[in-house]
Amino acid sequence: GAVVSQHPSRVICKSGTSVKIECRSLDFQATTMFWYRQFPKQSLMLMATSNEGSKATYEQGVEKDKFLINHASLTLSTLTVTSAHPEDSSFYICSARDGQGYQETQYFGPGTRLLVL
Amino acid sequence: AQSVTQLDSQVPVFEEAPVELRCNYSSSVSVYLFWYVQYPNQGLQLLLKYLSGSTLVKGINGFEAEFNKSQTSFHLRKPSVHISDTAEYFCAVRVYNQGGKLIFGQGTELSVKP
Repeated sequence: GAVVSQHPSRVICKSGTSVKIECRSLDFQATTMFWYRQFPKQSLMLMATSNEGSKATYEQGVEKDKFLINHASLTLSTLTVTSAHPEDSSFYICSARDGQGYQETQYFGPGTRLLVL
Repeated sequence: AQSVTQLDSQVPVFEEAPVELRCNYSSSVSVYLFWYVQYPNQGLQLLLKYLSGSTLVKGINGFEAEFNKSQTSFHLRKPSVHISDTAEYFCAVRVYNQGGKLIFGQGTELSVKP
């Protein structure tokens, strides 16, 4: 199947700093990527839909200025957690959409664990 | 709005025993149905999906699921589990023509014991 990578896999930062997470589709082009957040022992919550060449669509309750998303190319989307605080510590997972409509499939990255001290 | 309910948060089972992980969904429109598996500290891997056609869907690693429209269920089954099946399992729905968004259930932790 298709491969989606995330970098870094794990990051520890100080409170108040910004952290950038990259999501890449390695062997297909993805006009749409999704960013999820997962707390321990909980499900994935969709944060935003990232569309190549346009602004991201954020889910209700997700701060746009806090979680900046840039989808600059068909294989790369980035999530920047600005002025991170301990409550932003979580597991962030991206997915990339391959195809559209009936046959589309979402492929998930391995996740990035963020710890804010 | 759509929602997904996984009825069991934890399912302990002995190796080589059969298992069923339950999933019910709520939607006023047609949806596609998925099961994903997540191993510790990893992303999600697609086990199987139901788009249309036969209601019994076979996936990877010996798993299968049956779509029951009248009961709005999509339960996952495996006749004989292995230790390596220990993981978190997520049921998800995708609404037709709504931009590919997936809505996930709460997850079921399958623990296979020797």
